[in-house]
Amino acid sequence: NAGVTQTPKFRILKIGQSMTLQCTQDMNHNYMYWYRQDPGMGLKLIYYSVGAGITDKGEVPNGYNVSRSTTEDFPLRLELAAPSQTSVYFCASSYARVASNTGELFFGEGSRLTVL
Amino acid sequence: QKEVEQDPGPLSVPEGAIVSLNCTYSNSAFQYFMWYRQYSRKGPELLMYTYSSGNKEDGRFTAQVDKSSKYISLFIRDSQPSDSATYLCAMGIQGAQKLVFGQGTRLTINP
Repeated sequence: NAGVTQTPKFRILKIGQSMTLQCTQDMNHNYMYWYRQDPGMGLKLIYYSVGAGITDKGEVPNGYNVSRSTTEDFPLRLELAAPSQTSVYFCASSYARVASNTGELFFGEGSRLTVL
Repeated sequence: QKEVEQDPGPLSVPEGAIVSLNCTYSNSAFQYFMWYRQYSRKGPELLMYTYSSGNKEDGRFTAQVDKSSKYISLFIRDSQPSDSATYLCAMGIQGAQKLVFGQGTRLTINP
């Protein structure tokens, strides 16, 4: 049972390059999320999706884009990478809304991105 | 003022000690309170959640919510080296799509 799978695990980008972080889940969850985690800063929500074809902005969406064409996949696109996007990115999914009895977030293992 | 405040530590205690981890918050509308545990270079995993006020116990772990003081705690009894991790509090309004996370407290249990 794979759960939430993220690729790549590590990546170094040059300033101005673009890339896509891939995320796929096999739990048939409708809700999916992208977070970034900076040292000592907790988790900040970038984008989320409540189902295929529906996405919405979180706290820190600038510089990122997402799409949700299937229930399983929720890729995160970084356009024109900047040093401020150096972070660890986590994809997560949940069965229901997060603030509920069945809203447990299931996280991937993270993608470590460095922009130089 | 941050919506959720959590002492980042680091916190280092001997094996067998009782550990207390805490978060304060400012939004009185929060009703769901969670604790996530994150091992080094891994994603967070849900440890416990509580709804509204009161205590919830699960083995060596107790989650406590004091809504009047806007304060939540996680207690770990008989702490083990395997409890060494970063602990993140998180909270949300019922039915909301978003959680607000604390900064995380890095805990080390020394054998």
